[in-house]
Amino acid sequence: KQEVTQIPAALSVPEGENLVLNCSFTDSAIYNLQWFRQDPGKGLTSLLLIQSSQREQTSGRLNASLDKSSGRSTLYIAASQPGDSATYLCAASSNTPLVFGKGTRLSVIA
Amino acid sequence: GAVVSQHPSWVICKSGTSVKIECRSLDFQATTMFWYRQFPKQSLMLMATSNEGSKATYEQGVEKDKFLINHASLTLSTLTVTSAHPEDSSFYICSARKTGYTEAFFGQGTRLTVV
Repeated sequence: KQEVTQIPAALSVPEGENLVLNCSFTDSAIYNLQWFRQDPGKGLTSLLLIQSSQREQTSGRLNASLDKSSGRSTLYIAASQPGDSATYLCAASSNTPLVFGKGTRLSVIA
Repeated sequence: GAVVSQHPSWVICKSGTSVKIECRSLDFQATTMFWYRQFPKQSLMLMATSNEGSKATYEQGVEKDKFLINHASLTLSTLTVTSAHPEDSSFYICSARKTGYTEAFFGQGTRLTVV
């Protein structure tokens, strides 16, 4: 059974800092791994999708990497802004529905 | 493309009543849809997998007679919370997977409050 773990659970950084969010998964037989953003009381916004054959994906200030062999993915946020404050969820997809981590709650302080 | 619309976005109902939540894929066909529940400050927990034209598959611990799922067409799945109680208050999110693809797209969620 797939299990997804995210570290840290919460993170607070000053504006402008670069930061890394970590995600690990137990079953490496995944189709893809997705990173989502969730604002309080809101739904999910898909940020990046990395297919199992890919090593990384980039979108603007966001870069996500995937290492299937070690069961790890990272989300790198460059030059953080207060608007980046949200909960970030990673989810692994295999032949079962998406399995989510508990998320990292990010606060970027101006 | 790949838009999933969920309705309503929030609902308040009295204890003992039933509430129906709709999940529609607006611009693609989805043979499979998923229903998740999220309690405050918790992650999304899968409730059930809905397949068009067949019975839903429920996760362990989810009461199928309480959470009725219908997936009558390739673009619509509904979740009905029957005889709702305050402990059913939660954030419910649906997800749809394009036929033949592995990426899932999410609705905006429904905040259910049972009073």
